[in-house]
Amino acid sequence: NAGVTQTPKFQVLKTGQSMTLQCAQDMNHEYMSWYRQDPGMGLRLIHYSVGAGITDQGEVPNGYNVSRSTTEDFPLRLLSAAPSQTSVYFCASSYTSGGGEKLFFGSGTQLSVL
Amino acid sequence: GQNIDQPTEMTATEGAIVQINCTYQTSGFNGLFWYQQHAGEAPTFLSYNVLDGLEEKGRFSSFLSRSKGYSYLLLKELQMKDSASYLCAVRERSNDYKLSFGAGTTVTVRA
Repeated sequence: NAGVTQTPKFQVLKTGQSMTLQCAQDMNHEYMSWYRQDPGMGLRLIHYSVGAGITDQGEVPNGYNVSRSTTEDFPLRLLSAAPSQTSVYFCASSYTSGGGEKLFFGSGTQLSVL
Repeated sequence: GQNIDQPTEMTATEGAIVQINCTYQTSGFNGLFWYQQHAGEAPTFLSYNVLDGLEEKGRFSSFLSRSKGYSYLLLKELQMKDSASYLCAVRERSNDYKLSFGAGTTVTVRA
């Protein structure tokens, strides 16, 4: 059981570079989301999706784009990396959204922007 | 929006009990979660409360008081492997899709 798979695990970028963080789940989950985790601030929601073709902004969406062309995949794109985007990024999914549905998290991507 | 507060750090001895408090403010409460996160790893689900009272799961219990905007996670018979960060997260009725997290409480278990 793969669960939620995130790649890469580590990435170093220069300011202004773009890149895509990959996220895939094999549990047929409708809901997928991206969080960033910074020291002392907890997990903050960047973007989320409640199904293929549907995405919406979370708490801190600026500088990031997402798309959901399939149920399985939910990539996060950094358009022009900035040092403020240095963080640990987690992809998470659940069968549906809301209620008592628990999130399953990927293993995380540690991103450094120089 | 959410305002979720929990202590930053707690230390306890192996075999002891530790209680991690979480207070929250929300315009419409729709559930509270606790997650465990070991250093360098992803968060994993521990418990969910939506009604007042205590939910017990083995060595871990979670309590909720909606009128007080208060929850706690109780860890009994502490083991070294319980050293981790514990995250309180709240779901708001106005936007069921968003789960808001507190900053986490780092628990260190000493021998």
